[in-house]
Amino acid sequence: DIQMTQSPSSLSASVGDRVTISCQASQDIRNYLNWYQQKPGKAPRVLIYDASNLETGVPSRFSGSGSGTDFTFTISSLQPEDIATYYCQHYDNPVITFGQGTRLEIK
Amino acid sequence: QLQLQESGPGLVKPSETLSLTCTVSGGSISSSSYYWGWIRQPPGKGLEWIGSIYYSGSTYYNPSLKSRVTISVDTSKNLFSLKLSSVTAADTAVYYCARRGTVTNWFDPWGQGTLVTVSS
Repeated sequence: DIQMTQSPSSLSASVGDRVTISCQASQDIRNYLNWYQQKPGKAPRVLIYDASNLETGVPSRFSGSGSGTDFTFTISSLQPEDIATYYCQHYDNPVITFGQGTRLEIK
Repeated sequence: QLQLQESGPGLVKPSETLSLTCTVSGGSISSSSYYWGWIRQPPGKGLEWIGSIYYSGSTYYNPSLKSRVTISVDTSKNLFSLKLSSVTAADTAVYYCARRGTVTNWFDPWGQGTLVTVSS
């Protein structure tokens, strides 16, 4: 089974900061990775699909990169509304694996 | 606009079977382009994929839960269901249903989620 290791588990940053979250796969997963944002009490929302593609309607300050085993999710300039928990998600059809999540807080 | 809505008991006793239904509106569950899945989230913890079903009835389960999970589909009622047997307190979670494409491999949309508590 492929394991997804997401880091850090929590992160505190200031408005305007550049924020980076990592997701590492235990083996090559090509670009089969998505990123979600989950706000308290809400269902997750996809932001990035296939490692680097921005979902329609998602602000351009969000981006994703990587392939193979190492992936990065970036917020170029943190906004107050970005406070949430972020998850990576690997798909190996039809099996799904989520990362452990990164809780993002405002400093 | 496609919408998903979970329903079922909010309280289940230990050792019993948890049963939830996800009703799909605004679109057909019989599309060949999608899987229909269940994901859960224990309070304060991360997301865990439980399993998915294709409209044809083909099922795919998380290996860690496979022995206790059954997912079924009722195309005539446009819904799919989850049964999780022999529950314990560790199965207490918000349970979400969601759609995932066979080509667009992300979950969207999601239901609002329903909290199921396992307690006597």
